[in-house]
Amino acid sequence: GAVVSQHPSRVICKSGTSVKIECRSLDFQATTMFWYRQFPKQSLMLMATSNEGSKATYEQGVEKDKFLINHASLTLSTLTVTSAHPEDSSFYICSAPLRSNEKLFFGSGTQLSVL
Amino acid sequence: DAKTTQPPSMDCAEGRAANLPCNHSTISGNEYVYWYRQIHSQGPQYIIHGLKNNETNEMASLIITEDRKSSTLILPHATLRDTAVYYCIVRAPNSNSGYALNFGKGTSLLVTP
Repeated sequence: GAVVSQHPSRVICKSGTSVKIECRSLDFQATTMFWYRQFPKQSLMLMATSNEGSKATYEQGVEKDKFLINHASLTLSTLTVTSAHPEDSSFYICSAPLRSNEKLFFGSGTQLSVL
Repeated sequence: DAKTTQPPSMDCAEGRAANLPCNHSTISGNEYVYWYRQIHSQGPQYIIHGLKNNETNEMASLIITEDRKSSTLILPHATLRDTAVYYCIVRAPNSNSGYALNFGKGTSLLVTP
């Protein structure tokens, strides 16, 4: 079946640094990918929609200058958390749909801890 | 997308059937019912989806009432590895949100030995 690979699985960084998270569709092309954020004991919240070859679409309340999204190819989308602060500590998850049946496949997630 | 209501938590004994209910009384005619689950610290996993007919796959069965206002996900023989949060999501294909899914709070299923 379709697989979405996400790296790294865990990252710890100092406040003020930037962190890049990669999301790859391994055996299918994804013109669209979705980035979610999940705080402890809460549900997933959609942050942004990544579109190959064009600008990402951000959900209300998500700062586009802080969460930079690049979707340069049909198999890779990256999320960069710029100047990370402790309040950005969260579980970040990417997903991509198989166009043929619209099921969403999810990456394994990235646990970001900002000290 | 239509709103769903699920119990916050349920328990099930290992080996027994787990029946997870979901209410979606405002569902529209073209909206599907999707079920995903999330095991702790992992990304969500697709389980099953349906429109109006009951569906079955290797993981579970989905029973949708005739009026489509509620559904039940059935795990026929629950194992400890089925302990997870189960999300019932209702959406139409090609909705304004594209293929994105809006997750509610889900049901936390605990399978006990």
